[in-house]
Amino acid sequence: AQRVTQPEKLLSVFKGAPVELKCNYSYSGSPELFWYVQYSRQRLQLLLRHISRESIKGFTADLNKGETSFHLKKPFAQEEDSAMYYCALLGSNYKLTFGKGTLLTVNP
Amino acid sequence: NAGVTQTPKFRILKIGQSMTLQCTQDMNHNYMYWYRQDPGMGLKLIYYSVGAGITDKGEVPNGYNVSRSTTEDFPLRLELAAPSQTSVYFCASSQTVNEQFFGPGTRLTVL
Repeated sequence: AQRVTQPEKLLSVFKGAPVELKCNYSYSGSPELFWYVQYSRQRLQLLLRHISRESIKGFTADLNKGETSFHLKKPFAQEEDSAMYYCALLGSNYKLTFGKGTLLTVNP
Repeated sequence: NAGVTQTPKFRILKIGQSMTLQCTQDMNHNYMYWYRQDPGMGLKLIYYSVGAGITDKGEVPNGYNVSRSTTEDFPLRLELAAPSQTSVYFCASSQTVNEQFFGPGTRLTVL
C-alpha cells in the first residue's frame, strides 16, 4: 500500500522567514513524488516533481529515501506563497496518492 | 486552450437523485481522472482512464460510474445520491503520468 503523510494541517510564517512543509511517504517500490499547490480561487496545479530536481518559485524539494521524506523548502517566504500544498506519490497503475494537505499562511 | 473544464460548478441534490458531472479536456490527453476532496482529507481517486474505452476503479469507486467514449470526455455518474457523497469533485487529465492538469471542481451537496 502507498501512503503520504503531511503532519501539519496549518503552517504560519512571517514574510522573509524560511519555510519547510513536511511530507513523508510509504511505498514499497521506487517512488515518484510531486508537490501540487492550490492558490485561493485557483485550480490545483503542479509545483514541482522530484525527478526534475528543479526550483520553482524559489521552492525546492529533495527526495530522501532513507528517511522516506520529500519536504518542500523555501529560504525566504513571500506573501504570495500562501496556499494549500499537497504532496503526492505516483504509485502503480498511474495512480497518484495525495497527502491531506498543508495550508501555508505567510504573514506580512 | 481551455484545458480541463467541469460542469456544473455547484449542485444540490436530494437523497436518491442521480446526476452526471461533466468533464472535458482539449489537450488530447490519454489519461483522465476523477477525485473527490473532503474537508481535511486530501484528494481520493474515484475512477481513472488510460484511454478511450478503458476505465478502472480508484480508491473510492462505490456509488459512482464512469465512461470514456471519446478522448475528450470523462463523465462521472452518481446513480443514487447519498449524503456521504457531499464533496468537491475534481477532474484531471495528463499526457504522461508525470503531471496532471486539474479542472476547477464541482461542489456537490446531497441533502
